[in-house]
Amino acid sequence: AQSVTQLDSQVPVFEEAPVELRCNYSSSVSVYLFWYVQYPNQGLQLLLKYLSGSTLVKGINGFEAEFNKSQTSFHLRKPSVHISDTAEYFCAVRWNTGNQFYFGTGTSLTVIP
Amino acid sequence: DTAVSQTPKYLVTQMGNDKSIKCEQNLGHDTMYWYKQDSKKFLKIMFSYNNKELIINETVPNRFSPKSPDKAHLNLHINSLELGDSAVYFCASSQGGFNTEAFFGQGTRLTVV
Repeated sequence: AQSVTQLDSQVPVFEEAPVELRCNYSSSVSVYLFWYVQYPNQGLQLLLKYLSGSTLVKGINGFEAEFNKSQTSFHLRKPSVHISDTAEYFCAVRWNTGNQFYFGTGTSLTVIP
Repeated sequence: DTAVSQTPKYLVTQMGNDKSIKCEQNLGHDTMYWYKQDSKKFLKIMFSYNNKELIINETVPNRFSPKSPDKAHLNLHINSLELGDSAVYFCASSQGGFNTEAFFGQGTRLTVV
């Protein structure tokens, strides 16, 4: 069965420190990968996506992620976080065998001043 | 211009009532979705429509009935509301093809008392 795993439910990090949010999925056969951010009381906003090509993708707000086919991972990174990055982050995967987006359980990133 | 808009944003109602949530997208997308986000932030697909045709109908109580009058609108009607229906409901849309992202509305926070 297809699944998306975000092992870290909560990640506290000090301001200006680097952060990595982990995402693993069940199968790398024809996948399309996404990271979304959800600020309090708001909808989901796309941070970045991997569709094909270069395995390192850059997104908005200084975030980037790397597609690793052999490890079936798509970890999100930022070299220096800001207070405004405090939010919930969701990894999502779309396989070309179905129409829906599968979401991980989310990682709550808290940036500490 | 809001790409995916949902109304209302907040909905407080008593158990046993019937309520509807409306969703409209002005992106020209073919596919629309309803997701439910529970208190632990977990996102679960409920329904998906493609060009007004139901293509995903997850295990959802029959009290939930989606309706798509045209491909720009996907409404969600809920009968006989229960306490457990309290959640945030997100509408989303995407273009045809697997290599496209979903665009989300701001969500409707439903509270059943």
